[in-house]
Amino acid sequence: DVKVTQSSRYLVKRTGEKVFLECVQDMDHENMFWYRQDPGLGLRLIYFSYDVKMKEKGDIPEGYSVSREKKERFSLILESASTNQTSMYLCASSTTRATGEQYFGPGTRLTVT
Amino acid sequence: AQSVTQLGSHVSVSEGALVLLRCNYSSSVPPYLFWYVQYPNQGLQLLLKYTTGATLVKGINGFEAEFKKSETSFHLTKPSAHMSDAAEYFCAVTSWKYGNKLVFGAGTILRVKS
Repeated sequence: DVKVTQSSRYLVKRTGEKVFLECVQDMDHENMFWYRQDPGLGLRLIYFSYDVKMKEKGDIPEGYSVSREKKERFSLILESASTNQTSMYLCASSTTRATGEQYFGPGTRLTVT
Repeated sequence: AQSVTQLGSHVSVSEGALVLLRCNYSSSVPPYLFWYVQYPNQGLQLLLKYTTGATLVKGINGFEAEFKKSETSFHLTKPSAHMSDAAEYFCAVTSWKYGNKLVFGAGTILRVKS
């Protein structure tokens, strides 16, 4: 069974802290994605990676960075967390085919106080 | 550029009634269209997708959707709602031009009344 796992389901951090969200997939997928989900806005793409050490900005990259040192792992980094980054963060992976399905992790609900 | 509009942020139906969730898209190239479902406290799961070929697509849990190019629509339907269908539904679009980068709609929360 395919699987995408995220390191935490719930996370509470303070303003200014550096935050790491980890995502691991076991399907040998080339593509990995980080989304932010907010009510009424759907899912918005933060960053995606199409290969190890390769990354591309999505629609809302400001305030975030990413790291992909191994094919199965994709990390989202908040260099200095702010309250407006309180949200649900979803990781996904897929093959390179445009028609391919994206497989999602369960999400991390981050609260920044 | 591509975009998706889901009409109705909340839809409420009675158990056994028809489910209709609306999705309209914008794309300058032939689109690939997806419906995903998100149950509470879970990630998204693929319901169905249209890429090429038959315009009526059947998915899991009795859902289907029809691609109508002339109307730029990809509405999701189910003949008879079940309590377990209560969830949030997302329509998404991509194309060969954008690889596997999806653009999602804002989502529709489906409530099923007993």
